[in-house]
Amino acid sequence: NAGVMQNPRHLVRRRGQEARLRCSPMKGHSHVYWYRQLPEEGLKFMVYLQKENIIDESGMPKERFSAEFPKEGPSILRIQQVVRGDSAAYFCASSLQLDQPQHFGDGTRLSIL
Amino acid sequence: GEDVEQSLFLSVREGDSSVINCTYTDSSSTYLYWYKQEPGAGLQLLTYIFSNMDMKQDQRLTVLLNKKDKHLSLRIADTQTGDSAIYFCAESSTGGYNKLIFGAGTRLAVHP
Repeated sequence: NAGVMQNPRHLVRRRGQEARLRCSPMKGHSHVYWYRQLPEEGLKFMVYLQKENIIDESGMPKERFSAEFPKEGPSILRIQQVVRGDSAAYFCASSLQLDQPQHFGDGTRLSIL
Repeated sequence: GEDVEQSLFLSVREGDSSVINCTYTDSSSTYLYWYKQEPGAGLQLLTYIFSNMDMKQDQRLTVLLNKKDKHLSLRIADTQTGDSAIYFCAESSTGGYNKLIFGAGTRLAVHP
């Protein structure tokens, strides 16, 4: 049973470009969470999604960031017009049910030139 | 507001026990978690404890929860060099779903 799959593992973008980060949850998991980890810090919650619905996006910056979890396919975290401060590791987690532990992917490390 | 605090560093000798401490603020958290992160990797769920429990043991790992003091600890018995990593404490937030609030992580260094 494959774990949470994130791709790409590393992503380099120039300022002003768009970054798309993908997350395939564990099989059967319909709850997806995105977190951001800045260097030398803990993880900060960004957004919680269920299939086709954004449940809580209180941790998302108001501009340039969006997330989706379509009926078919992976969850996508999209960052438009990236800036240097977006450089971080972005982790996706999934859980089977609402009150079950979250399992994390290996993350996407985003570097902005 | 919700906050989780951990000491940043811990150094232990191989074979000794390690104790990593954590304090949290949300007394209504349902679960409390310990995750392990090795360099360049994701978070590995080590163990978790339900808030109505005081202790949970799983092989070399022992979790103690003092709900009155909002204090959580992780004890690793017979610490090995492979245990060197960053350990994150996390609590589940209120609000009806399982948003995790993480501490900044404790970097455990195991030396011979």
